[in-house]
Amino acid sequence: RKEVEQDPGPFNVPEGATVAFNCTYSNSASQSFFWYRQDCRKEPKLLMSVYSSGNEDGRFTAQLNRASQYISLLIRDSKLSDSATYLCVVKGYYGGSQGNLIFGKGTKLSVKP
Amino acid sequence: DTGVSQDPRHKITKRGQNVTFRCDPISEHNRLYWYRQTLGQGPEFLTYFQNEAQLEKSRLLSDRFSAERPKGSFSTLEIQRTEQGDSAMYLCASSQGGSQETQYFGPGTRLLVL
Repeated sequence: RKEVEQDPGPFNVPEGATVAFNCTYSNSASQSFFWYRQDCRKEPKLLMSVYSSGNEDGRFTAQLNRASQYISLLIRDSKLSDSATYLCVVKGYYGGSQGNLIFGKGTKLSVKP
Repeated sequence: DTGVSQDPRHKITKRGQNVTFRCDPISEHNRLYWYRQTLGQGPEFLTYFQNEAQLEKSRLLSDRFSAERPKGSFSTLEIQRTEQGDSAMYLCASSQGGSQETQYFGPGTRLLVL
């Protein structure tokens, strides 16, 4: 089983749509959680950290369910500029790893006019 | 620009040649990470440094790979006797550490081994 699994995608949505991405992680000792965004042929960039209480940043809402080992990202009123690959990322202190990030494969989002 | 920089941005080499990549982290960051990303996959961890000490190496890092961070600032990643399977984007990231650290990525070095 992969350590971080995401919806396979791609997601093709019209402008203004609401889209949700889901992610599960296998190691219950994982400590920190993030969503990164990666544009085509560019480096990943932090979109937002994910906190246990859930958090919101403008049109983006992230949720964490530690019991189910499940992370989600909701994008409301999607824009053309939201088109990118969204990477679910987990960091944990286990197996000797003290901070490396574990990435999912990413889910590609394409927002159409 | 005070972000993470990597050099070169692209490298084409023939199988069997050695290549070296450089990463300059954000200046006050004491942690430096190397990742590799192939098409359709998320980045995979290779190794990381706390200052000049290499603290962790992934099983992906075969003995043909070596990384250094001699003065705790820039880092180099060398691949000896390159193979076609080494073709990938090599990403460097830096951070200040801590439980909620944010890792900032450089633009990557795209390697193609012919």
